[in-house]
Amino acid sequence: NAGVTQTPKFQVLKTGQSMTLQCAQDMNHNSMYWYRQDPGMGLRLIYYSASEGTTDKGEVPNGYNVSRLNKREFSLRLESAAPSQTSVYFCASREGLYGYTFGSGTRLTVV
Amino acid sequence: AQRVTQPEKLLSVFKGAPVELKCNYSYSGSPELFWYVQYSRQRLQLLLRHISRESIKGFTADLNKGETSFHLKKPFAQEEDSAMYYCALYSGSARQLTFGSGTQLTVLP
Repeated sequence: NAGVTQTPKFQVLKTGQSMTLQCAQDMNHNSMYWYRQDPGMGLRLIYYSASEGTTDKGEVPNGYNVSRLNKREFSLRLESAAPSQTSVYFCASREGLYGYTFGSGTRLTVV
Repeated sequence: AQRVTQPEKLLSVFKGAPVELKCNYSYSGSPELFWYVQYSRQRLQLLLRHISRESIKGFTADLNKGETSFHLKKPFAQEEDSAMYYCALYSGSARQLTFGSGTQLTVLP
């Protein structure tokens, strides 16, 4: 089915470990986004990519890096995980005026 | 900078009662507003966008530029409406979607 696919769905990391969250979309959308969802704070934008080859910081970029590998894929990397990065991470893509399409999320726990 | 405020974190209503989820925004340009819904542990889904003026699952939302509001309404709530609802504003200049903090709606039997 068309949409946004995120892997993994769940992950537990130890403080200081690194990992990459993967996101791919098959809708040929230009724009892709990474959000984190925390209770009482809604979704906050970490990074976004308006088109292939470009990335920009969002509201909460510290501690993260991103790569827009090609038009389909947009990955989020945590170089040295911290407990404050425990969250649910959502990837999304957008084209035109039809709103965003979200992935199913990655539930990350940093201990 | 744009901002979206949802003043109610939790809202409970009885089945069959009307429901209104409040959303206020601040934005200097012409806003593009959305309502998203997230059922328990599922992905966010687009519920409404103001430009289409549509009604989805019985929900409607009217943009009031004077009051800078985009409240979500349904005349008769159903138990399956229980979910987290997010109001969101898209800024064309910043190319970002900004979310409110969300309202958890519970429809009681």
